[in-house]
Formats: sequence, C-alpha cells, structure tokens
Amino acid sequence: DSGVTQTPKHLITATGQRVTLRCSPRSGDLSVYWYQQSLDQGLQFLIQYYNGEERAKGNILERFSAQQFPDLHSELNLSSLELGDSALYFCASSLTGTDSYEQYFGPGTRLTVT
Amino acid sequence: AQSVTQLDSQVPVFEEAPVELRCNYSSSVSVYLFWYVQYPNQGLQLLLKYLSGSTLVKGINGFEAEFNKSQTSFHLRKPSVHISDTAEYFCAARDFNDYKLSFGAGTTVTVRA
Repeated sequence: DSGVTQTPKHLITATGQRVTLRCSPRSGDLSVYWYQQSLDQGLQFLIQYYNGEERAKGNILERFSAQQFPDLHSELNLSSLELGDSALYFCASSLTGTDSYEQYFGPGTRLTVT
Repeated sequence: AQSVTQLDSQVPVFEEAPVELRCNYSSSVSVYLFWYVQYPNQGLQLLLKYLSGSTLVKGINGFEAEFNKSQTSFHLRKPSVHISDTAEYFCAARDFNDYKLSFGAGTTVTVRA
C-alpha cells in the first residue's frame, strides 16, 4: 500500500458526459501528479500540482482539468468524454517536486466510456 | 525532454531462470532512472532507482539494474525468478530539474513453472 488513495476504483459512463476522479496523496506529500495509461498511448504524464499550484503540464487535453485543494487532495475533471478517453488514470504523490525522486502511485481509476 | 524505449514487449521465462529486461533512454541532459512493476489490477510500485553514484543499483524482491551512460541503458535483471514475478515492468526516466516521469511501453514478464 503506497498510501495514495484514489476514488472511484471503476467508472463507466457515456460519451459526452463529465466525470471527476479524486486522489488523496500520502500524508505529508505536497506534490500530486496525474498519469493516463491506455493501450495505444501507454503511460503518459498529464499534469502536476504542488501545494495547490499547477507546476507542470504534459499531454493533457483541453477537455481535461485538474486542481489541488488546500487539504492537498486533487481532482481530475474529464469532460465531453470520448471513447478514446477510456483508460486507467493514476495519481502519484511526492514530498516536494524536483528534489523528490520517488513518486508513489495510487491503485488507479479505470474509466470506461461507452 | 527524453524518451524511453523498452526493447522487449513480452518476456516468457521459466521459474528459477534468470531474466533481463532491456531499457534505453535518450536525453540531452542528465537523468534519473527508475524501474516500476505493475501487478495485475494494481498500481505501480517502485522496484529501484538510479540517481547518481554506483552504476549497479539493487532494489526490492532481488532485482538489480545497471546504469550504462555510454550506451544510455538501464537494464533490469533478476538471477532467479518466481511465479510471483509475473507482472508488467516499466522503465522510466526523469530529467534533472524536471517533474514528470517519461515511461517506456512496458515489458510483460510471464513466469512459467
């Protein structure tokens, strides 16, 4: 158990809908990262937050957004969902940012868009 | 930015045999290197990491990896595998002063009795 929690574990929704994925980092970690794992694209970095502020952006679609709240939990919002958004979404956390080498991954949320 | 290439997508191996998973990276700057394991229906778990210093790093569950700067490689090895090592293995890299991990496509290891 990494200490990172993600909810829900599974999510099935229809095209065009909007969903919110939630992540609670390990106790004391200030940085949260979101990754998408799909069969065609593999594991890709989406976005990073550090202590409530966006720190880095990767291959994140404009239909996707994220935020980190004062209690350090983070939410990833996916809107206007398409079939191709079906994937496993991971959250990871680390103590700080560049000087924290290890990212601890949660169990993931499996999103199925039908 | 860097890219990570895992040279084998599938590696079948018999129990108690050795295994090597190959990983090459490309980067214009110095990098940190990692191997993660993903067991079925689970998240990613860190096996080992190379930050600096000794090029041979030891990790959990009897795994080790060797950093080779001239060949830009970071191959993972285990001298004797168990059935429980059946999983997907990911090589990842991170530039100094960067935040994101770049992952390889993964290598599925299937251990047979």
